[in-house]
Amino acid sequence: SQTIHQWPATLVQPVGSPLSLECTVEGTSNPNLYWYRQAAGRGLQLLFYSVGIGQISSEVPQNLSASRPQDRQFILSSKKLLLSDSGFYLCAWSTTSGKETQYFGPGTRLLVL
Amino acid sequence: GESVGLHLPTLSVQEGDNSIINCAYSNSASDYFIWYKQESGKGPQFIIDIRSNMDKRQGQRVTVLLNKTVKHLSLQIAATQPGDSAVYFCAEAGNMLTFGGGTRLMVKP
Repeated sequence: SQTIHQWPATLVQPVGSPLSLECTVEGTSNPNLYWYRQAAGRGLQLLFYSVGIGQISSEVPQNLSASRPQDRQFILSSKKLLLSDSGFYLCAWSTTSGKETQYFGPGTRLLVL
Repeated sequence: GESVGLHLPTLSVQEGDNSIINCAYSNSASDYFIWYKQESGKGPQFIIDIRSNMDKRQGQRVTVLLNKTVKHLSLQIAATQPGDSAVYFCAEAGNMLTFGGGTRLMVKP
C-alpha cells in the first residue's frame, strides 16, 4: 500500500531564516506530487505541483520554491521566511493522471516568529 | 483557489442526527468529485468519490449526491457521531483537482 510522509511535524523558525520541508511517498512510482498551504481555519491553497523529477509548476508567486530531486521526494524551501509563511503545509500525491484522488500527508505546522 | 481567503462555514448537529454538507462547484466539465474529511491538525482524508455518470453513491454511513444540472454536490452522514466532527472539503476534477472552501461540522453530544 502507498504511504506518504512529511517532516518535520512542527517547526518554529525566526523571520529571515531558511526553510526545508520534506515529503516522501512509498509504494508507488512516478506519482504527481503537490504542496499546499492551509492558513488556520481556511481552505487549501495549491503552491506547487510536479509531474516528474525536476519538473515543478508554481501556482502562486512567493518566496517559496519546490524541488523534486527523486521520483518520490518533494521538497519545499525558502531562503528567507516571512511572517506570512506561517501555516499548515500539506504534501499530497496522485496517480499520473492528475485528475484522480489526491492522498495527503500528515502535514507540517510552521510558525514563523 | 478562490475559496482560500474565506472563513469556514459551520454546521452544528446533534449526535445521532443526520448531517448534510453542501458544495457548489464551478466547472461544468468536471467529471469526477471527491469528499475529504480533515480532523484538527491532520491532513485531509479521502471519504468517498463519485463520477459524473452517477447521481448517487453510498458508502458506510455516507452518501454523496451529485446534481449536474445545478452543479451541486452534497455529502450526507447518517447517525452523526462525535468522531465525525471535522472540516469537510469537496473537490472537483476538471483539468486538475480543485478544492472547495470547506465546511466545519460540529457534533453536539
